[in-house]
Amino acid sequence: EAGVAQSPRYKIIEKRQSVAFWCNPISGHATLYWYQQILGQGPKLLIQFQNNGVVDDSQLPKDRFSAERLKGVDSTLKIQPAKLEDSAVYLCASSSSQGAEAFFGQGTRLTVV
Amino acid sequence: AQSVTQPDIHITVSEGASLELRCNYSYGATPYLFWYVQSPGQGLQLLLKYFSGDTLVQGIKGFEAEFKRSQSSFNLRKPSVHWSDAAEYFCLMFSGGYNKLIFGAGTRLAVHP
Repeated sequence: EAGVAQSPRYKIIEKRQSVAFWCNPISGHATLYWYQQILGQGPKLLIQFQNNGVVDDSQLPKDRFSAERLKGVDSTLKIQPAKLEDSAVYLCASSSSQGAEAFFGQGTRLTVV
Repeated sequence: AQSVTQPDIHITVSEGASLELRCNYSYGATPYLFWYVQSPGQGLQLLLKYFSGDTLVQGIKGFEAEFKRSQSSFNLRKPSVHWSDAAEYFCLMFSGGYNKLIFGAGTRLAVHP
C-alpha cells in the first residue's frame, strides 16, 4: 500500500512570506494529523481531522496558520506570514480511525530566513 | 492532563549491549501506546503497539515493550543493540477520551562500535 505522501520535502522562504504544504494520506484513512517538529523536540500536534471535520486545533496558531481537508482526503497546511520560529519539520500522518496505528509521511523541512 | 514523558534525552550504548528506553504516561484510563523510531532523513516507523491483552508486546527489529499499569510505564527493550539502531525513539499515547495522539519528547540513541 502506498504511504503518506508529503510535498515539498524542503522549503526555504524569507520571513513574512507565505508557504503551503500538501499531504496525501493513505487511501481510506479517516484521521489525518499535522505535527510541527522543531529541532531537538518531539512533534507537537497542530491540527487533527476526522474526515473533513476538525477534531482538535487547540495548538494551531490561527493568526498565521490554517489547514483544510477538502472532501476528507488531501490536506493543505498554510503559514501566512511566516516567522523565523516556524522553522521546523512539518509531519503529516494518517490512520484508519482514531487510536489506530498512525502512518507518517517523510515530512517537509521548512527553513525561514 | 494527559502527557507522555521520556526521561532520557540521550542514551549511548555499546554495540551488542542491552537497551531499555523509558516511557511514562499520565492518563486516567488505559491508553493505547506506541513506540516509533525516526532515523535521520527518514519518516517515523512503528516498532510496536499496545492496545490491550498481553502486557509484553513484540515488535519489529527485535524490540519488545512491557506495559506496567501500576507504574504507568511502557518501556522499550532490546537484548542486543546493533549499530543500525542508532536513531531517535518516540513513545506515543492515544487517549481515547480526548481523541489525542500525544508524543513524548524522544530519546536519541547512539551506538558505540
